[in-house]
Amino acid sequence: NAGVTQTPKFRVLKTGQSMTLLCAQDMNHEYMYWYRQDPGMGLRLIHYSVGEGTTAKGEVPDGYNVSRLKKQNFLLGLESAAPSQTSVYFCASSPPAGELFFGEGSRLTVL
Amino acid sequence: AQTVTQSQPEMSVQEAETVTLSCTYDTSENNYYLFWYKQPPSRQMILVIRQEAYKQQNATENRFSVNFQKAAKSFSLKISDSQLGDTAMYFCAFMKPLDDMRFGAGTRLTVKP
Repeated sequence: NAGVTQTPKFRVLKTGQSMTLLCAQDMNHEYMYWYRQDPGMGLRLIHYSVGEGTTAKGEVPDGYNVSRLKKQNFLLGLESAAPSQTSVYFCASSPPAGELFFGEGSRLTVL
Repeated sequence: AQTVTQSQPEMSVQEAETVTLSCTYDTSENNYYLFWYKQPPSRQMILVIRQEAYKQQNATENRFSVNFQKAAKSFSLKISDSQLGDTAMYFCAFMKPLDDMRFGAGTRLTVKP
């Protein structure tokens, strides 16, 4: 039972480098989300998708881009990483109006 | 935009006792869903309980129950017979139908032996 899988689990970047976080779900869910978690701030929504080929901005979208070319995958990209993007990133998927199923998180450090 | 407020950054409780975590939210919607998620040190997010706003009956899941006060926009979580394994961050979350889920800042709960 894979559920929601995020890769990589850990990454260290230098300021200005780019990277992509991959999220894959095997539950045939329509909705997928990317959150970031920072101490004292809970989970904040970066971008989300309500179906293949669609994406929408969340609360904190600046500095990130996403793509949902296939229903099971949701990619989060950082084009030019900044220290403020040091965080733990969570991907989640859900059916419409259903509970979110989360990945294990990816810890990103930007030096 | 909907906001979710958890006013207790940290709480502690003795093993076997009862603790209540507070959550309030702000919305103009009538139909929505509320959730409590648990995040243990493993970092995995685990659904604890879910409540539909149209249901008057408070949701319960074993030792976990909620007190849902729709008019007051309050959604507290009660943990009975606390166990050491309940030590975790607890997040309250709000979702409108066909929309995204928004979270509170979390409450760190420590269960003491």
